[in-house]
Amino acid sequence: DAEITQSPRHKITETGRQVTLACHQTWNHNNMFWYRQDLGHGLRLIHYSYGVQDTNKGEVSDGYSVSRSNTEDLPLTLESAASSQTSVYFCASSEAGGGVNEQFFGPGTRLTVL
Amino acid sequence: GNSVTQMEGPVTLSEEAFLTINCTYTATGYPSLFWYVQYPGEGLQLLLKATKADDKGSNKGFEATYRKETTSFHLEKGSVQVSDSAVYFCALSPDTGGFKTIFGAGTRLFVKA
Repeated sequence: DAEITQSPRHKITETGRQVTLACHQTWNHNNMFWYRQDLGHGLRLIHYSYGVQDTNKGEVSDGYSVSRSNTEDLPLTLESAASSQTSVYFCASSEAGGGVNEQFFGPGTRLTVL
Repeated sequence: GNSVTQMEGPVTLSEEAFLTINCTYTATGYPSLFWYVQYPGEGLQLLLKATKADDKGSNKGFEATYRKETTSFHLEKGSVQVSDSAVYFCALSPDTGGFKTIFGAGTRLFVKA
């Protein structure tokens, strides 16, 4: 069965360190998204990609970057982790075009920045 | 711009009670509307969807009707179970401008036995 996986599931790091969160999907979807989920804010879009070599900033992109070198993967990098980036991070994917844009979510990564 | 507003939680109900979670939206054109559910420790998963006015989405006993005149998409279930305890997100996908989805803040539901 197709799926979307994230790793690690839990991560503790220190302020100032670079951290990369992995996202891998086997749906063969062109669209991929990164969100963070915080109490009282719901889901906020960090970055998204509509295909290989395409990346775009979302509403809370400062301090984060992504790259898309293949269809399956969209790693999220925190260049210099800050305590304000402690959150649960979700990756999602969807088909390009063709009607209703249902998103498929990974299980999430809980990141703690000390 | 596009936005989704849903009722604040938590909502606490006894088993077999009737559930309504209100959701209203702001969007131009004809967006698609969704309800996603998030069980503890998991990612979101699609619960139901509707793509045009007066469509009714349904799944697992949950229903929601796309009301363009009131820009609403309220979630209902006639008899909740303990296993329905989760966070519910209303969301929309605009009909133009790409493939992003705009999510509401989520409503946590607790169902007591």
